[in-house]
Amino acid sequence: AQTVTQSQPEMSVQEAETVTLSCTYDTSENNYYLFWYKQPPSRQMILVIRQEAYKQQNATENRFSVNFQKAAKSFSLKISDSQLGDTAMYFCAFPYTGNQFYFGTGTSLTVIP
Amino acid sequence: DTGVSQDPRHKITKRGQNVTFRCDPISEHNRLYWYRQTLGQGPEFLTYFQNEAQLEKSRLLSDRFSAERPKGSFSTLEIQRTEQGDSAMYLCASSSEDTMNTEAFFGQGTRLTVV
Repeated sequence: AQTVTQSQPEMSVQEAETVTLSCTYDTSENNYYLFWYKQPPSRQMILVIRQEAYKQQNATENRFSVNFQKAAKSFSLKISDSQLGDTAMYFCAFPYTGNQFYFGTGTSLTVIP
Repeated sequence: DTGVSQDPRHKITKRGQNVTFRCDPISEHNRLYWYRQTLGQGPEFLTYFQNEAQLEKSRLLSDRFSAERPKGSFSTLEIQRTEQGDSAMYLCASSSEDTMNTEAFFGQGTRLTVV
């Protein structure tokens, strides 16, 4: 069975600082993608970053980067130079069968001015 | 096309009533998904359509739930005889390919409160 675990229900970070959100997952698949989605308050969920499991290089999108450890089944998100607009729920997601996602329980991130 | 839209945004209903939600996906997306999200949890998969065909249903989707996508465009999710446990955010998403290869785009959701 596929599972996704986010062990940090809430986190806070000072504006301009760096924060890392953790995610672990379990799967028997070998080729897959992993996703981080952001859900701002009262707004729709949007994709932050995507990692291909067969690529050793960690994905980077501007201030967002991942630390992907395939053997450890770990997929953490690093946000650099945190901004007030980064305040949101962050969900780690694993696509299963190509037709659905398994989501973690989320991490509520607050950026403090 | 401005993205996935859902209607209504909020719905309050009395226990036992039927409710129907609508989702309009991004027009060129042939795949459509429904998820349910309760407070403090991540979204949970309910069902998936490819064009007009409903190809997967979660065990979460009890007999009181039914979803349709009659012309392969918009979709509706109906809940019959609502219960308080149905209170949740119902999210719709769409994608152009399977989610192993591409992102899904989400709507803002319909928040259902059963009183």
